[in-house]
Amino acid sequence: SQTIHQWPATLVQPVGSPLSLECTVEGTSNPNLYWYRQAAGRGLQLLFYSVGIGQISSEVPQNLSASRPQDRQFILSSKKLLLSDSGFYLCAWSPRVGGEQFFGPGTRLTVL
Amino acid sequence: AQTVTQSQPEMSVQEAETVTLSCTYDTSESDYYLFWYKQPPSRQMILVIRQEAYKQQNATENRFSVNFQKAAKSFSLKISDSQLGDAAMYFCAYSKGTHAGKSTFGDGTTLTVKP
Repeated sequence: SQTIHQWPATLVQPVGSPLSLECTVEGTSNPNLYWYRQAAGRGLQLLFYSVGIGQISSEVPQNLSASRPQDRQFILSSKKLLLSDSGFYLCAWSPRVGGEQFFGPGTRLTVL
Repeated sequence: AQTVTQSQPEMSVQEAETVTLSCTYDTSESDYYLFWYKQPPSRQMILVIRQEAYKQQNATENRFSVNFQKAAKSFSLKISDSQLGDAAMYFCAYSKGTHAGKSTFGDGTTLTVKP
C-alpha cells in the first residue's frame, strides 16, 4: 500500500532563516505531487504541483520554491522566511488519472 | 476557472442523527471527479468519498453517501448515524482528473457532533 511521509512535523524558525520541508511517497511510481498551505480553520491553498522529476508548476508567486529531485520526493524551500510563511503545510500525491489526493500528516511552521 | 462553494461554515448534529453538508461547483466540463475529504483535529486529511461525473449512481461508503445532481452542479454529503469521531472539518473538492490531477477545494464546513 502507498504511504506518504512529511518531516519535520513541527518547526519554529526565525524570520530570515532558510526552510526545507521534505515529502516522500512509498508504494507507487510516477505520482503527481502537491504542496499546500493551510491557515488555521481555513481551506487549502495550492502552492506547487509536479507531474514528474524536475517539473514544477507554481500556483502562487511567493517567497517559496519547490523541487522534485527524485520520482517520489518533493521538497519545499525558502531562502529567507517571512512572518507570513507561518502555517500548516501539507504534501499530497495523486495517481495519474482519477484526481483523488492522499495527504501527508503535515508540518506546522511557525516563523518568529 | 472551476470554483467550489461550501455555503455552511459550521454545522452541528446530535450523535446518532443524520446531517447533510452542502457543496456546489461551477465547471464547463462534462467529465470530472468530485470528492469529500475529512480533516479531524489532528489535521490529517482523509478521503471520505469519490464520485465520477459520468456515473449516475450516487457513491456510498458505509455511513457516508452523496447526492450528486449534475445538472444543478450540486454534490452534498450525507452522514448517517453520526458518531463523535465524525467531528471534523469537511472539504468538498473538484478535479478534472486529467494529467496534472489538480483539485479545487471549497473553504470547508466544520461539523460538531453533540453527545
